[in-house]
Amino acid sequence: GQSLEQPSEVTAVEGAIVQINCTYQTSGFYGLSWYQQHDGGAPTFLSYNALDGLEETGRFSSFLSRSDSYGYLLLQELQMKDSASYFCAVRPRTGANNLFFGTGTRLTVIP
Amino acid sequence: SQTIHQWPATLVQPVGSPLSLECTVEGTSNPNLYWYRQAAGRGLQLLFYSVGIGQISSEVPQNLSASRPQDRQFILSSKKLLLSDSGFYLCAWSAGTGKFFGPGTRLTVL
Repeated sequence: GQSLEQPSEVTAVEGAIVQINCTYQTSGFYGLSWYQQHDGGAPTFLSYNALDGLEETGRFSSFLSRSDSYGYLLLQELQMKDSASYFCAVRPRTGANNLFFGTGTRLTVIP
Repeated sequence: SQTIHQWPATLVQPVGSPLSLECTVEGTSNPNLYWYRQAAGRGLQLLFYSVGIGQISSEVPQNLSASRPQDRQFILSSKKLLLSDSGFYLCAWSAGTGKFFGPGTRLTVL
């Protein structure tokens, strides 16, 4: 089975950098994804790590270390609009392109 | 570009009543389609997925069912709703490494 753990809440100051961690236990997966979800909205895809290392997309970066069963999402130059819930997800090697989601981290950006 | 539609946006239903939520996708053919449910303040739970017309796989046993009568249409149903069925229902389709979600239906069962 799969298990992905994230901190439930994180608070950071506007303009700062914040890291949201995701630790997992899984029997095997293709890659680690990150999704953003604003209150009342649907999740939106942010990034995907198929291989170990850092993937950068603008202010957002995502990291994966399979040997450590660990990944993180890094948000730089935080803006108020970044306040949202962030979910890590893995795509197991079984099932039709399914995604198994983490518990989610609620990020609050304060002035 | 691909778009995904869901309706209704919100729904309030009494316990024991039936349910039908519809999802349609535009701009792609033969998509893999998914139904997820999200309880308040929680993560997403996969309910059903479909790789083609008439092909449904259930991930969680419950009083819900799904059907795919057309290539780009995915329907979530229930004959009798339970209080525990309340939640945010999201339809999604997959494209390579990412999933793209519809706007969701917020269901409240009273």
